[in-house]
Amino acid sequence: AQSVSQHNHHVILSEAASLELGCNYSYGGTVNLFWYVQYPGQHLQLLLKYFSGDPLVKGIKGFEAEFIKSKFSFNLRKPSVQWSDTAEYFCAVRPSGTYKYIFGTGTRLKVLA
Amino acid sequence: DTAVSQTPKYLVTQMGNDKSIKCEQNLGHDTMYWYKQDSKKFLKIMFSYNNKELIINETVPNRFSPKSPDKAHLNLHINSLELGDSAVYFCASSQDDGGYTEAFFGQGTRLTVV
Repeated sequence: AQSVSQHNHHVILSEAASLELGCNYSYGGTVNLFWYVQYPGQHLQLLLKYFSGDPLVKGIKGFEAEFIKSKFSFNLRKPSVQWSDTAEYFCAVRPSGTYKYIFGTGTRLKVLA
Repeated sequence: DTAVSQTPKYLVTQMGNDKSIKCEQNLGHDTMYWYKQDSKKFLKIMFSYNNKELIINETVPNRFSPKSPDKAHLNLHINSLELGDSAVYFCASSQDDGGYTEAFFGQGTRLTVV
């Protein structure tokens, strides 16, 4: 079955620390990849997405992610986090030609001021 | 202008009641979804409609019935509510282009069954 794994469930960082959140998926075909952020009490918002081309994609708010096809991974990074980055982060996969967005279990990030 | 809007935002109801959640999108998208987010924040797809046709129906109790009167609207009706139905329900929409665009989410409806 298709699935998405996010290994870090809870991450606590101090401001200015670097961030890397892991995401791995299990699907043998072509996929489109997404990272969403959910601030407390709010809906999911897109941070970035990958469809093809340069495997390093840049998103909003200084986030970037790298697609490594051989590892079935799409890790999210940010060089220097801010207190306002405190949120839940979700990796999602949409297999090409399907309608289903499959989400990981999420990573709760807390940034200490 | 809200792209995907859901009503109500909060819903508190007793066990056994029937309730509906409404969703509307003004993005011109062809596909709409219902997702359930449980207390551990896990997001699970429930249903999806494409141009008013049901295309995804995950393992969901048949007390849950989606209805899409047109491609801009997707409502969720829940019969005989149970405590375990308490969750946040998100409506989403996407363009029908083979998956090259993201899904846009509504603000969520927090359902509490008491």
